This record gives sequence, C-alpha cells and structure tokens, in this order.
Amino acid sequence: DTGVSQDPRHKITKRGQNVTFRCDPISEHNRLYWYRQTLGQGPEFLTYFQNEAQLEKSRLLSDRFSAERPKGSFSTLEIQRTEQGDSAMYLCASSLLQETTEAFFGQGTRLTVV
Amino acid sequence: GESVGLHLPTLSVQEGDNSIINCAYSNSASDYFIWYKQESGKGPQFIIDIRSNMDKRQGQRVTVLLNKTVKHLSLQIAATQPGDSAVYFCAYGGSGGYNKLIFGAGTRLAVHP
Repeated sequence: DTGVSQDPRHKITKRGQNVTFRCDPISEHNRLYWYRQTLGQGPEFLTYFQNEAQLEKSRLLSDRFSAERPKGSFSTLEIQRTEQGDSAMYLCASSLLQETTEAFFGQGTRLTVV
Repeated sequence: GESVGLHLPTLSVQEGDNSIINCAYSNSASDYFIWYKQESGKGPQFIIDIRSNMDKRQGQRVTVLLNKTVKHLSLQIAATQPGDSAVYFCAYGGSGGYNKLIFGAGTRLAVHP
C-alpha cells in the first residue's frame, strides 16, 4: 500500500497518560500535515512540515501537543497529560512540495481518553 | 474568523438522481477550493478542486461550481450511486494552496435505492 499510513488506528488511554501517534507519508511527498477531527466536524489543521522543518505550529492546541519529523520521512504527534477533551480522530496528510497539489489523507488514529 | 460552512447538514437522494451539495465561505482571498469525501472510519478523500480564476470544473460524474461574487461553492454529483453515500466537506487552502486547509462541518449524503 503506497498511501499515507497511520499507527495505531485506535488508542484508548487513561486521562493523564502520554500518547504518541505515527504517520508514514507517501514516500516522495515533502509536505506532511496533522489535523484533528471531532465527531460531526471537519478536520482542523494543527501543524505541517516541509521535509524535516516544522513550518507552522501555531495551531497546535496547547503546549501538551508536539510533533516531530526528524528525518523528513515519518512523523510523530505526541500528546502529554491527555485530557478527555483530547478524544478525537487525528489525521495525517501528505503532499508534494508544490502548493497546488492535492493532499492525501491517512485513515487516522482514533483517540479515546477515559 | 475564517470559516467555511455548509447549508445542509444532511441530503437524501434517490439512486440515479443528481445531487447538489452547497458550501459558503467567508474569506474571499482564498485561491484554492477543494471537495473531500469521507466515508465512515476513513480519512478524507480528494474529489475535485478549483482555482479562484475558474467558475466551473468537471471531473468524472462530478462538477464543482464557484461563485466568487456570493462566496459560494457547490458540488454536483451526476447519477448518484449508493457508493456516493458519505460525508462531503468543502475546504479552502490557507495562505498558499494546500497548506493549512480550512474545512467546513460537512454534509452527509444518503443515497436510497
């Protein structure tokens, strides 16, 4: 499968625990995006990378959220001290460098904080 | 703030009919508009996009219309099929195309046999 891959697909965690999600973009894609989607809503932009550089992170929801893309390939999104309000689908997308090429989304990681 | 919204949260159509999903946006500076389809448990899937210098673009069974005067975008699906049942989102690219897409809340399309 050459699409965007996210792992795990589902994560249930207790409030206060840290969680980390992984995204493997399409191999030749330079840009990688993270979005959050709550039930009944459209995805909400969080952050994006161009290669290993994080070019936009102002939309990360709090300082408990951080993302990395250390080698310009896969990326991780970490949420520290999870809260029930963090329960959502976390989506990753990737695209080529050109700004007008479509972004392909992965199937997401469904996080449930109990 | 910037927003992209949808007029109808749910649209029910008969199989074979044409479907029209509407979207209003607030930021007239956007250059790039996109329609995504999202099936249950899956990520959004690109359907079609349109640049602001166009008012119509056609794909396979889909047409997107853009009216910049009234800031309105629509997706037309011809001969709707059961496989078209999904939630449809309109979105626009923030500063620079696909970076920082801003999505609306979505319209659910239900296709009945």
